[in-house]
Amino acid sequence: DQQVKQNSPSLSVQEGRISILNCDYTNSMFDYFLWYKKYPAEGPTFLISISSIKDKNEDGRFTVFLNKSAKHLSLHIVPSQPGDSAVYFCAASGYGSSNTGKLIFGQGTTLQVKP
Amino acid sequence: DTGVSQDPRHKITKRGQNVTFRCDPISEHNRLYWYRQTLGQGPEFLTYFQNEAQLEKSRLLSDRFSAERPKGSFSTLEIQRTEQGDSAMYLCASLRQGSYEQYFGPGTRLTVT
Repeated sequence: DQQVKQNSPSLSVQEGRISILNCDYTNSMFDYFLWYKKYPAEGPTFLISISSIKDKNEDGRFTVFLNKSAKHLSLHIVPSQPGDSAVYFCAASGYGSSNTGKLIFGQGTTLQVKP
Repeated sequence: DTGVSQDPRHKITKRGQNVTFRCDPISEHNRLYWYRQTLGQGPEFLTYFQNEAQLEKSRLLSDRFSAERPKGSFSTLEIQRTEQGDSAMYLCASLRQGSYEQYFGPGTRLTVT
C-alpha cells in the first residue's frame, strides 16, 4: 500500500525555467509534508516543508503547494539551476495524536536541469 | 554535513555473516530513526528510538534485525545471518522532539554476496 506516490520517475528542464515536481498521498491523517533532495552516495537533505494547515510555503527559489482536498502537493523550483539536478523525495508525517514522527516517502523523482 | 554520522559508509559481506552499523545523531536530538532504501525506491521506515527506548518497529524488521540505543546517544543496527535481500542503503536520521524535519546521515551501503 503506497501511501505517498510520486508518479513521475524523472523530469528534465532547461536552466532558468521552472521545475514542478508532484506528489500524491492517500492518508488524510498526514499533517506535515516534507521535500528532501538526494545526491548519489549521500543521505537525503531536508529542503522545505509544509504543515497541513497551510497551502503554501516559500523559501527562496523553492515553493511547496498543498491541495488537501486533492491530497496533492507540488514543489516548484524557480529558476532551476544545474546544481538542482538530484533525486527529490516527497515525505509525509504525523498520525494525529500518536505522532511517531516517522516519515513515509514517495519513490522519488530524478530532476535533470540542463545548462 | 547534517551533523549525523554513520559508520561504516560501505560494507561488503558474505551471506550468513553478521554485520553491525553505527549512527551518531545530532547531540540535542532525542529521537533517532533507521530507514532502509533499495534501488528506485524511497527510504522505508524500520524503527525509531526516543532517548534509549525503542518505541516502534516496522514489520520489515525481521527477527534477524536488532537495534539499540543504550545511552540515548548513538545507535547500532545489527543484522544477523545476512541474506542477499538485505543488500540496501541503511539510513539513520535524528529529530528534535516537537519538530518534523529529520536530518539524515550519509548512509551505510550494504552489499551481501
